[in-house]
Amino acid sequence: DGGITQSPKYLFRKEGQNVTLSCEQNLNHDAMYWYRQDPGQGLRLIYYSQIVNDFQKGDIAEGYSVSREKKESFPLTVTSAQKNPTAFYLCASSVAGGSYEQYFGPGTRLTVT
Amino acid sequence: AQSVTQPDIHITVSEGASLELRCNYSYGATPYLFWYVQSPGQGLQLLLKYFSGDTLVQGIKGFEAEFKRSQSSFNLRKPSVHWSDAAEYFCAVLGGGADGLTFGKGTHLIIQP
Repeated sequence: DGGITQSPKYLFRKEGQNVTLSCEQNLNHDAMYWYRQDPGQGLRLIYYSQIVNDFQKGDIAEGYSVSREKKESFPLTVTSAQKNPTAFYLCASSVAGGSYEQYFGPGTRLTVT
Repeated sequence: AQSVTQPDIHITVSEGASLELRCNYSYGATPYLFWYVQSPGQGLQLLLKYFSGDTLVQGIKGFEAEFKRSQSSFNLRKPSVHWSDAAEYFCAVLGGGADGLTFGKGTHLIIQP
């Protein structure tokens, strides 16, 4: 079945540690996205990538980093510089950037203590 | 920059009753508009989208939405809700470029028996 996989579903880290969230898609989509969701805040765009080896900052990129070495994969690293990292993180992909709907993965809930 | 407002944080509807969820957007050009649904702890599922053409769009699960340019609105409707419709609903706008979606803060739908 085609879709988007995010792992793990739950992740716990100590403050000051970097952590990498996985996102894999087998939909052959060119564009991929990372969003952060906080209670009552909707989703906010962290980073997006239209093609391999290229990515752009979204609205809240500070404290995060990404890579896009393969079309299928778009991992997100939450660094120790992110002041409030505890949140629900959602990865999405679309056929291409622009006027195409985005398909979402199941999400990873990160808790930092 | 575009923005989306969902005025109702919570809505309670009796099972079998009709439903309307409000969405207002701010965007300078013709927007691409979406409605997504999210069950607790899950990713987002696309209900319907508007790109152009007929302003009344049909989606999955019996939902429909109407684009009204004069009111900058894209309200979601369903004639008769089912208990399984209880979820969080998000309206989103895509700016026409390669950026990600801009989401409203969501409306939590509660279904009364």
